[in-house]
Amino acid sequence: DIQMTQSPSSLSASVGDGITITCRASQHIGNYLNWYQQKPGKAPKLLIYGASTLQNGVPSRFSGSGSGTDFTLTISSLQPEDFATYYCQQSSSTPPTFGPGTKVDIK
Amino acid sequence: QLQLQESGPGLVKPSETLSLTCTVSGGSISSSSYYWGWIRQPPGKGLEWIGSIYYSGSTYYNPSLKSRVTISVDTSKNQFSLNLSSVTAADTAVYYCARHEFLEWFFDYWGQGTLVTVSS
Repeated sequence: DIQMTQSPSSLSASVGDGITITCRASQHIGNYLNWYQQKPGKAPKLLIYGASTLQNGVPSRFSGSGSGTDFTLTISSLQPEDFATYYCQQSSSTPPTFGPGTKVDIK
Repeated sequence: QLQLQESGPGLVKPSETLSLTCTVSGGSISSSSYYWGWIRQPPGKGLEWIGSIYYSGSTYYNPSLKSRVTISVDTSKNQFSLNLSSVTAADTAVYYCARHEFLEWFFDYWGQGTLVTVSS
């Protein structure tokens, strides 16, 4: 299985801040990397697929980049509704595997 | 708007079989474009893909669970189901059903999730 790691595991930020979350795969996965947002008690929501393609309806303040083994999710200006946990997931090979998550909370 | 809804017992005894059903509405489970999957999340922990099924019955399973998992589909009811046998406390989790495109392994629609607790 391909192992996914994320850093940091948590971060505190203020509304209006820009943040970056990093995801690393244990082997080369091309651009088969997806990002999800999960709020407490809710199902994950797909934000970005193919490393950089925004899912329909996702605000443009979210962006993704990277290829190979190293990827980033950037939120350009945090909004109150963005405080959540973010997961990366590789879709290069089965089984699809998720990172451990990055919790973004309010400073 | 596509909706997925999990249903099934919230409490299962150790060594028994966990059985859940996902009902799809607002779209056909028989679409040739999609697979239908199960993903779980133990309380306070990360996400684990369990397996996926195509409307024809073709399945993919996570090797870590393959010996205990069966996923089936009922196209007449627009439903698919999960059976997980010989459960232990480690199988306690929120179980989600979700959709992904044919051989594209990212999940674009999710059910709300259902908590299944394994306890005597």
